[in-house]
Amino acid sequence: GDSVTQMEGPVTLSEEAFLTINCTYTATGYPSLFWYVQYPGEGLQLLLKATKADDKGSNKGFEATYRKETTSFHLEKGSVQVSDSAVYFCALSDSSGGYNKLIFGAGTRLAVHP
Amino acid sequence: ETGVTQTPRHLVMGMTNKKSLKCEQHLGHNAMYWYKQSAKKPLELMFVYSLEERVENNSVPSRFSPECPNSSHLFLHLHTLQPEDSALYLCASSHDSHSETQYFGPGTRLLVL
Repeated sequence: GDSVTQMEGPVTLSEEAFLTINCTYTATGYPSLFWYVQYPGEGLQLLLKATKADDKGSNKGFEATYRKETTSFHLEKGSVQVSDSAVYFCALSDSSGGYNKLIFGAGTRLAVHP
Repeated sequence: ETGVTQTPRHLVMGMTNKKSLKCEQHLGHNAMYWYKQSAKKPLELMFVYSLEERVENNSVPSRFSPECPNSSHLFLHLHTLQPEDSALYLCASSHDSHSETQYFGPGTRLLVL
């Protein structure tokens, strides 16, 4: 079945450092891809998404490009802030069951220090 | 800010207790979901409701019993749980069951003693 693999954390960075969180997927079709973020004590929030190959999703300085050839959707940010500390989840949509469901990776915790 | 609320936010229960988790969405959506988030495991989809009808029961033990009385409310009734059921239970909603984007509540942190 479809699956998502993302790099294990925690990722620890200093403020203003460059961020990359790797995500690869396995899917039989051409799913939409998502990054969700979970801040401490809160639920998941949609950060960005891409619906087809070569699409770039972006939001709040974060970007990810849908790469069909490498089945990847890596999350990047040029300069992280302390407020970006959270857990980041990569996900894909699976509509094979007659309804849309999200399949998530295990999550990557990011800690940004001043 | 979220259009999906969950109560209680924290719950401690014994294995013989019966409790219920509540989810309410204020977004006018027609599909609602229950997920389980355990430590070091990906989020697991438990149940999907579309227009108050269950469309997915993802091999969830019968000690978890969902209820969707209307499109705005979703409950998860719990009875005779096990310690391994301790987790964060997340509710989500979407415009309909074919929508790709889901909106999540803050979750209920459950501890089973």
